Amino acid sequence: SQQGEEDPQALSIQEGENATMNCSYKTSINNLQWYRQNSGRGLVHLILIRSNEREKHSGRLRVTLDTSKKSSSLLITASRAADTASYFCAIANGTSYGKLTFGQGTILTVHP
Amino acid sequence: NAGVMQNPRHLVRRRGQEARLRCSPMKGHSHVYWYRQLPEEGLKFMVYLQKENIIDESGMPKERFSAEFPKEGPSILRIQQVVRGDSAAYFCASSPGTFRETQYFGPGTRLLVL
Repeated sequence: SQQGEEDPQALSIQEGENATMNCSYKTSINNLQWYRQNSGRGLVHLILIRSNEREKHSGRLRVTLDTSKKSSSLLITASRAADTASYFCAIANGTSYGKLTFGQGTILTVHP
Repeated sequence: NAGVMQNPRHLVRRRGQEARLRCSPMKGHSHVYWYRQLPEEGLKFMVYLQKENIIDESGMPKERFSAEFPKEGPSILRIQQVVRGDSAAYFCASSPGTFRETQYFGPGTRLLVL
């Protein structure tokens, strides 16, 4: 399976701390995307990182990609209570024409 | 620019009935994707469509499920003779011209089969 697998499954931190979530996959990829989902809501796109990129930043978010280890990490710095959500990585395989394969997600809880 | 729109947001059906879920992509987007999310799980790909064409339906159950994206109007995911196991959140996403770009998701339709 090429499914992305997030680690940890759940993460609980205090406001102001950093949160790191990891994603591993098994096949070659075209790009890897991170999404956030608040409970009972739709998915919000965070960052897309392509296979030839190693790091991307967006505000308090930093994503790294290591294709040799088939892994990616999402770092949220200076977390806020509003960051509480589920975070998913999704991989786009170069041969699967638009199909995104999602992991099971990491549930992040940020305590005020 | 309005986002991806889905309706209805909640749908209740009894076993054996039909469910029709609608998705209007973002303006200018010609690629539509449908995903299903079971409780406490990640999203599972179902089908990828462009206008009037099904590109990849590898995630669609073989029976009772169909999808279309006509030249005019929204994309429709149709589930015939629903069963309790069809209860899930169904998300639609759209992207602009190429399939390697970001997919923007709608708010989802939560289907409950009684």
